[in-house]
Amino acid sequence: SQTIHQWPATLVQPVGSPLSLECTVEGTSNPNLYWYRQAAGRGLQLLFYSVGIGQISSEVPQNLSASRPQDRQFILSSKKLLLSDSGFYLCAWSPKDRETQYFGPGTRLLVL
Amino acid sequence: GESVGLHLPTLSVQEGDNSIINCAYSNSASDYFIWYKQESGKGPQFIIDIRSNMDKRQGQRVTVLLNKTVKHLSLQIAATQPGDSAVYFCAENEGGSNYKLTFGKGTLLTVNP
Repeated sequence: SQTIHQWPATLVQPVGSPLSLECTVEGTSNPNLYWYRQAAGRGLQLLFYSVGIGQISSEVPQNLSASRPQDRQFILSSKKLLLSDSGFYLCAWSPKDRETQYFGPGTRLLVL
Repeated sequence: GESVGLHLPTLSVQEGDNSIINCAYSNSASDYFIWYKQESGKGPQFIIDIRSNMDKRQGQRVTVLLNKTVKHLSLQIAATQPGDSAVYFCAENEGGSNYKLTFGKGTLLTVNP
């Protein structure tokens, strides 16, 4: 069966510090990968998606970037965090040629 | 732009009652819909999905109904239990090869014992 991991689970960072969140998927190959942000009490906002290694599409202009160095690894980064970057970050995967997305446990980021 | 939305932001039911969570969508070209359950502090969990060529689909204690005429989607939970308390999101597929989903704002379901 497939599993998706995210780490760290929680993170407290000062404004202006860098960020690296990691997501890995097991039990599948060549998945589509997604990064979402969820503000408190709000819906999910798609940030980035990837259909393959090195292929990243950005959905919203922002302070964040994403990379996919390996087939089942998706990384969310920032060079300098802003207060507005605080939120719950979710990684998801979907099988190739299917719409159903499966989510990881999420990373809660607090920027102070 | 076109989006997915929810009629009710909160729903409170008694344990054992049936729950109905509603969702309106505006993109008539959407052909795939999905419901997720999100418990506090956790990632969304897949519940059930339905394609636009169907009107109804049943799972274990859950049923999804799709009314394409009025662009309405609903999730019915039978014999609601305290463990069903969570935020429920509907989402639609925008189409295209990237299979992006557009999510609604969510409905908070509270089950009272």
